[in-house]
Amino acid sequence: AQKITQTQPGMFVQEKEAVTLDCTYDTSDPSYGLFWYKQPSSGEMIFLIYQGSYDQQNATEGRYSLNFQKARKSANLVISASQLGDSAMYFCAMRESMDQAGTALIFGKGTTLSVSS
Amino acid sequence: DTGVSQDPRHKITKRGQNVTFRCDPISEHNRLYWYRQTLGQGPEFLTYFQNEAQLEKSRLLSDRFSAERPKGSFSTLEIQRTEQGDSAMYLCASSLGLREKLFFGSGTQLSVL
Repeated sequence: AQKITQTQPGMFVQEKEAVTLDCTYDTSDPSYGLFWYKQPSSGEMIFLIYQGSYDQQNATEGRYSLNFQKARKSANLVISASQLGDSAMYFCAMRESMDQAGTALIFGKGTTLSVSS
Repeated sequence: DTGVSQDPRHKITKRGQNVTFRCDPISEHNRLYWYRQTLGQGPEFLTYFQNEAQLEKSRLLSDRFSAERPKGSFSTLEIQRTEQGDSAMYLCASSLGLREKLFFGSGTQLSVL
């Protein structure tokens, strides 16, 4: 079974509008971390935001916020006031057993976001 | 701090040849990861080191793939007897500590003809 599911292959949004990118995850581990990365057409992977499973509040980083719904196992990324430079591929990722050394970050298949003027 | 660097940026090889890629992580980072990414897909985990110890290896990684991280500094990923299905972007990432974000290199694009 897939650990990270991103069901939206592509999303389209107008500049200055907000957009939500969906991510659901599957784990029975009580300690895990959820990450979002951005990959523009240039190819570099850019870290956006992190949410720990024990964090009480939803994470925010500037225009990025993470809508963390633990019971539903979802960790949607919300981008407010979209900009043309936000056009990129966005990946949700999860690492289980956050306090143990031997676990890796696993990525979803990604969502392509296109922002138009 | 110059970030994670990977060498070469591009590699073209013929099927059956061996190739080796190098990754230099951020100097104080003790964790190093290798991922493989094909067009339009998410990065696929290959293997992971903490210092010089290889702690996890994907079941998808065939015995033609081997990775090392001598002295816990740079890492190499070798692919023996390359196949056309090995064509992909190979990404290296490093992090400091268990809860830290990953910093990625620009990747090595491998094309197997």
